[in-house]
Amino acid sequence: EADIYQTPRYLVIGTGKKITLECSQTMGHDKMYWYQQDPGMELHLIHYSYGVNSTEKGDLSSESTVSRIRTEHFPLTLESARPSHTSQYLCASSDPTLTGHTEAFFGQGTRLTV
Amino acid sequence: KNQVEQSPQSLIILEGKNCTLQCNYTVSPFSNLRWYKQDTGRGPVSLTIMTFSENTKSNRRYTATLDADTKQSSLHITASQLSDSASYICVVSDRGSTLGRLYFGRGTQLTVWP
Repeated sequence: EADIYQTPRYLVIGTGKKITLECSQTMGHDKMYWYQQDPGMELHLIHYSYGVNSTEKGDLSSESTVSRIRTEHFPLTLESARPSHTSQYLCASSDPTLTGHTEAFFGQGTRLTV
Repeated sequence: KNQVEQSPQSLIILEGKNCTLQCNYTVSPFSNLRWYKQDTGRGPVSLTIMTFSENTKSNRRYTATLDADTKQSSLHITASQLSDSASYICVVSDRGSTLGRLYFGRGTQLTVWP
């Protein structure tokens, strides 16, 4: 089982609250990602990072922000939560495998309800 | 546009029966294709990886095939078990970026009935 952890698993909050979703990995991976997934839908990349102090926005526009101060941590923050932010958020990390191919390891996800 | 499409969207089978899931992609340049299993409320877990030169690969009761010419892949599940009930996601990686960009299908929701 992959060593990547997300907390909390479930979060129910009121509109306007600031929240931070935590993601940690102990594999020493440089690349980390945040995906958003609605029920029955595909995963959409919202943020990614190549390494410390590197963050980029993904394909799906998101009002969230991320930071990468340490290799193992990649927290996602919503300054003011809205009902439209209700979704599942999945964190992943990856590095090239011994064969040169990329494999992503996923956390358990955080199900956010606003 | 790089896309990954899966069919069927959902499938119900009886325990012990076989089934085949399909994945068509337009991702280019192609690096590899992975099938992931995602249990409800959990992160995806990799089942198998297919590279350009591989036509078929088996992992216990899962057999994946790849036709790189027609850009199609299938996942065959043999002698299904109740624990096979999950979403099966086809993920294609491109070779053209340092991110090792991942493209996700919407998944096939498989339900196995006793």
